[in-house]
Amino acid sequence: EAQVTQNPRYLITVTGKKLTVTCSQNMNHEYMSWYRQDPGLGLRQIYYSMNVEVTDKGDVPEGYKVSRKEKRNFPLILESPSPNQTSLYFCASSLLYVGRLNYGYTFGSGTRLTVV
Amino acid sequence: QKEVEQDPGPLSVPEGAIVSLNCTYSNSAFQYFMWYRQYSRKGPELLMYTYSSGNKEDGRFTAQVDKSSKYISLFIRDSQPSDSATYLCAMRVGFGNEKLTFGTGTRLTIIP
Repeated sequence: EAQVTQNPRYLITVTGKKLTVTCSQNMNHEYMSWYRQDPGLGLRQIYYSMNVEVTDKGDVPEGYKVSRKEKRNFPLILESPSPNQTSLYFCASSLLYVGRLNYGYTFGSGTRLTVV
Repeated sequence: QKEVEQDPGPLSVPEGAIVSLNCTYSNSAFQYFMWYRQYSRKGPELLMYTYSSGNKEDGRFTAQVDKSSKYISLFIRDSQPSDSATYLCAMRVGFGNEKLTFGTGTRLTIIP
């Protein structure tokens, strides 16, 4: 089954304790991205990657890091989490050049992070 | 001003009603328009996609785009309780899928 797998689904951590949220896709997609979703603010892009070793900042990158060493994996790293990073996080993947194809993003099921 | 504006709702309608969900946008460069559906505790999934002005129908769903007014709509006919979800509009400028701009989403509840 074609899917994006995120782990963990739920995470409670303390301020300042480094954590990693993993994301893996099995569709050979070039493009991967991380979003956070907050009430009233919708989906906001954190970082994205257009291929292996190619990453770039999205709209809200502060406090986050990413890496893309393999095509299938795109982990999100919070080196020193703070309470304002409490949110619902989604990883997404897609083909990069889709033209007029009916092809959207495939999203993971989300990671609910609470930083206390 | 946000590039994409979407009424957050919530919107509650009785089963069988016609639902209208809307987004407005300010960037006239947007050419490709999508609607995603997000069930509770799940990631969004692509529901409808169009790139031209006018209507596109898929079963009970119709996506409408008016580029001159910078306005897109999603209509749901004969709404069902299983349509209860958050609906997000999304749009992009070019052929690449590297930048989608999302609306904030409208939470819809269909009352049996």
